[in-house]
Amino acid sequence: QQPVQSPQAVILREGEDAVINCSSSKALYSVHWYRQKHGEAPVFLMILLKGGEQKGHEKISASFNEKKQQSSLYLTASQLSYSGTYFCGTLNVGNNDMRFGAGTRLTVKP
Amino acid sequence: KAGVTQTPRYLIKTRGQQVTLSCSPISGHRSVSWYQQTPGQGLQFLFEYFSETQRNKGNFPGRFSGRQFSNSRSEMNVSTLELGDSALYLCASARAGPRDEQYFGPGTRLTVT
Repeated sequence: QQPVQSPQAVILREGEDAVINCSSSKALYSVHWYRQKHGEAPVFLMILLKGGEQKGHEKISASFNEKKQQSSLYLTASQLSYSGTYFCGTLNVGNNDMRFGAGTRLTVKP
Repeated sequence: KAGVTQTPRYLIKTRGQQVTLSCSPISGHRSVSWYQQTPGQGLQFLFEYFSETQRNKGNFPGRFSGRQFSNSRSEMNVSTLELGDSALYLCASARAGPRDEQYFGPGTRLTVT
């Protein structure tokens, strides 16, 4: 089952902050965040694992609430380069087929 | 380190034909996953290969198949193409599986007419 992302789209001015949420109805092993710019391949941002381990870029922060099966990606002091579509991918406990959310389109304006 | 490469980048096929797409993972990566991306359905998992074995499969019909070679390169095949198969097909490589960071290739844009 696909995770649910919110919001679907957000528009920011440079320097503003944004939060993107991802939730699942199933017990999660891990949440993965990717950013895709138009016409390009998705790029890895971060993995959050059950148990608290995180792997990813230093400038990106995220949280994973295991009890609620929810993750949030925090984009602070946004830059123009942050524009793109953000996807969360989830791996459920017990299997390895990644399910992606529908994406959140982030636009950062000058 | 060279990235993930996919060939061809663009393909136009006719309904009923078949197509083979190729993916070369990052050196040292043994896991290759395939995804279909469409505006309506988003990113959908097709299958994952590790050491020449299909470990996981998504909810796609049997017309979609794949394989992995001993050098970790992977191919996916779609037989009896339908209009709805038009999509961007992405492969992603990882060291040991989807639980690791996945690195995506640029994709193959398939158009079925």
